[in-house]
Order: sequence, then structure tokens, then C-alpha cells
Amino acid sequence: QKEVEQNSGPLSVPEGAIASLNCTYSDRVSQSFFWYRQYSGKSPELIMSIYSNGDKEDGRFTAQLNKASQYVSLLIRDSQPSDSATYLCAVNKGNKLVFGAGTILRVKS
Amino acid sequence: DARVTQTPRHKVTEMGQEVTMRCQPILGHNTVFWYRQTMMQGLELLAYFRNRAPLDDSGMPKDRFSAEMPDATLATLKIQPSEPRDSAVYFCASGSGGFSSYEQYFGPGTRLTVT
Repeated sequence: QKEVEQNSGPLSVPEGAIASLNCTYSDRVSQSFFWYRQYSGKSPELIMSIYSNGDKEDGRFTAQLNKASQYVSLLIRDSQPSDSATYLCAVNKGNKLVFGAGTILRVKS
Repeated sequence: DARVTQTPRHKVTEMGQEVTMRCQPILGHNTVFWYRQTMMQGLELLAYFRNRAPLDDSGMPKDRFSAEMPDATLATLKIQPSEPRDSAVYFCASGSGGFSSYEQYFGPGTRLTVT
């Protein structure tokens, strides 16, 4: 079992729809969870961090954390073509981050 | 505008040559990470430092890779000798390293091609 698992996609959504990206992790002691966005040919960019169970909203992005079920999700409302990218889920393991393989999101105009 | 910088951005070299990649972390950040990204393996952690001290380099092939942090503003990753399988994008990331904060900020990367 991988430490951080994501569906590789691609996930295709029409412009204006809600994109839902999911991630599960194996280490129950992890306390910090992150979503990074990576455009093709670019470096990962931190877009959301979440530390407590529940929802955290930032603009069109909402991160959701459920520690009991060991999953993290990212919702993107009103998806735009510019949101098309690979989204990486990351979970702390001690001082390090363990990254999932990423989910490719394609927003069709 | 605080950013992680990396040089060079692109490097093409022949097998057997030495490659040195440099990273300047965000001022004030005390943790530095080196990653390698390939299509097949995704993002792999090679090594990381806290307060310039190496904490973990278990992800690095020890016989050919070395990572150092000569001062707080410079981290280096060396490959000697380089091999075609080392072709990848190498990212440096830095973080503030606070107990409750593991956020990392990535540099633009060095795209390495070994022929």
C-alpha cells in the first residue's frame, strides 16, 4: 500500500463545474496535509494546507480532512480552464512530506 | 517577493561528467529539501537539511550523489559521475521548519539531461 494514494485521472470537468480531488493516506499519526498544483513544465505550488478535521475554504478552493477515515479532498468550485494541472496531495511524515503521484485535472471550456 | 532560486535551470551533459546544482532557500527558512521528479517515479525525496545539518539522505544513491549546505543561503546537489538514468527534474524546496508547520515552497527546478 502506498503511503499517499491519489487517482491518477485524468479527471475531466466542464468549465464552471465543481472538481473533486481525493487522497487517502496510511500513517494515522500524520497531522499536516497539503495540496500542491503543478502546471506542465513548472514546479509544485502550494495552494492549500489543512491541519484539523473539517473544511477549510480559500476562494474557490475548499480542502476537507477526515482523520478517522484517513482521507483529504480538494474541491474547486467554478472550475476554469486555467485550473487544468496536476494536483499533488502531500502528508507529513515526521519532518518530511510524502507526496502522492498526483491527479491530472482537465477543465474543458 | 520571497522565492527559492535554483541554478542552472537546464543542464545537458555527457555520461560520466560531474553535475552541480545549486539552491538558494527563502531567507529565514531553516529546512531545505532536494527532490527528483520523473514521469515514472513521480516526486522523490533525495535529502533534506535542518539548520544546515543533513537529517536524511536515504533517498539518494550514495555512491554518486552528495548534498551539502555550506551556508544558510546555499544548498548544493552533486552527481559524480552522472548517468543517463539521472535525467530528471531536480527541485529544491525550503520551509520554516516550525513544529506545527511543514509547508514547503519549491524552486523552479533544474532540468537535467544526461546523454
